Amino acid sequence: QVQLVQSGAEVKKPGSSVKVSCKASGGTFSSYAISWVRQAPGQGLEWMGRIIPILGIANYAQKFQGRVTITADKSTSTAYMELSSLRSEDTAVYYCARGPNGFDYWGQGTLVTVSS
Amino acid sequence: SYELTQPPSVSVSPGQTARITCSGDALPKQYAYWYQQKPGQAPVLVIYKDSERPSGIPERFSGSSSGTTVTLTISGVQAEDEADYYCQSADSSGTSYVFGTGTKVTVL
Repeated sequence: QVQLVQSGAEVKKPGSSVKVSCKASGGTFSSYAISWVRQAPGQGLEWMGRIIPILGIANYAQKFQGRVTITADKSTSTAYMELSSLRSEDTAVYYCARGPNGFDYWGQGTLVTVSS
Repeated sequence: SYELTQPPSVSVSPGQTARITCSGDALPKQYAYWYQQKPGQAPVLVIYKDSERPSGIPERFSGSSSGTTVTLTISGVQAEDEADYYCQSADSSGTSYVFGTGTKVTVL
């Protein structure tokens, strides 16, 4: 059974960075793309970017270009999403999800709160 | 940037049929996927590749595609189907994904 387990909630100051992890188990980590999706309070789902661990190649939504970095460590089956220059509008639940034929497995979500 | 448009809300009585549309220019070229999300929970994939149903998803969920519009149909709606539903697809290049605006399904 595939599981994606994310790191815990974070509280960050405006202008700082946050790094969220997503550890996979029960499947072949490297063969699938891992995407990051966020959801602000009361809002819809927003795709941020993805990485294909076996290739080490990441691509990002235009909105987040230059501010987000997605990486993967094949040795630990863990993907990471780092978002910099945080502002209050980045307060959201951040999910990792496995692709590519739709996101069939999701992490439990990580709440990132940006507040001074 | 590429957008997928859904109606904000759909209301349906138990046992009736709910239809949720999703419109986007690249949908004739890219597959669509549908997710159900209940409050406080991660989304669940209910339809993939326009009309395929993952194992464990009830048969009352079905998907279809016609031109620039895809449709999620829930036949014989049950109270437990009350949730937010999102379509998802890729842009014409296939390198960037996008979610629809979301539809809240209310079971009367």
